[in-house]
Amino acid sequence: GQNIDQPTEMTATEGAIVQINCTYQTSGFNGLFWYQQHAGEAPTFLSYNVLDGLEEKGRFSSFLSRSKGYSYLLLKELQMKDSASYLCAVKPGNTPLVFGKGTRLSVIA
Amino acid sequence: NAGVMQNPRHLVRRRGQEARLRCSPMKGHSHVYWYRQLPEEGLKFMVYLQKENIIDESGMPKERFSAEFPKEGPSILRIQQVVRGDSAAYFCASSSLSGTGNTEAFFGQGTRLTVV
Repeated sequence: GQNIDQPTEMTATEGAIVQINCTYQTSGFNGLFWYQQHAGEAPTFLSYNVLDGLEEKGRFSSFLSRSKGYSYLLLKELQMKDSASYLCAVKPGNTPLVFGKGTRLSVIA
Repeated sequence: NAGVMQNPRHLVRRRGQEARLRCSPMKGHSHVYWYRQLPEEGLKFMVYLQKENIIDESGMPKERFSAEFPKEGPSILRIQQVVRGDSAAYFCASSSLSGTGNTEAFFGQGTRLTVV
């Protein structure tokens, strides 16, 4: 089966750094995605990792360790608009994405 | 994600009616994926289609649900005899290639189905 775990909720302060973890057990691996989803809106693509290591894109970075089945999304210089759900998703093979339940991040002043 | 168009954005149906959800993929994309999202839940895969073919429908309920992606026109997700438990947000994603790489990045705005 496929299993993706991430924390349900997190709270962080404006201007701070927050790390959202994701662990996965899947039948195969062909990449890990992070999406941002504001309430009532569509998921929007943030990052894609297929090799081990850190991918940096502005204030957002994503890390992958395939041997540990582990990824994290790092958000720096948090802004109020970063309050959203963050979805971790794995592509097990030549198959559609499998999503975790998402982490609801609240950024407070 | 602006390129994937879903309509309607909101749909209200009475129990027992039919719901038809439409998805026009991004230009040049021939692969379409439908997902369902319940409140406080993650996105659940339902069905994967290419033009005129269903590739994977392992996530779709066997009864009342069907999907198509004709040669011309949008992909349609059809729910017959809707029940309250069908109330959810239905998202469509499209890609140009399947199998490798960053190919499933783009979602539509979703259709929010409410069954009363």
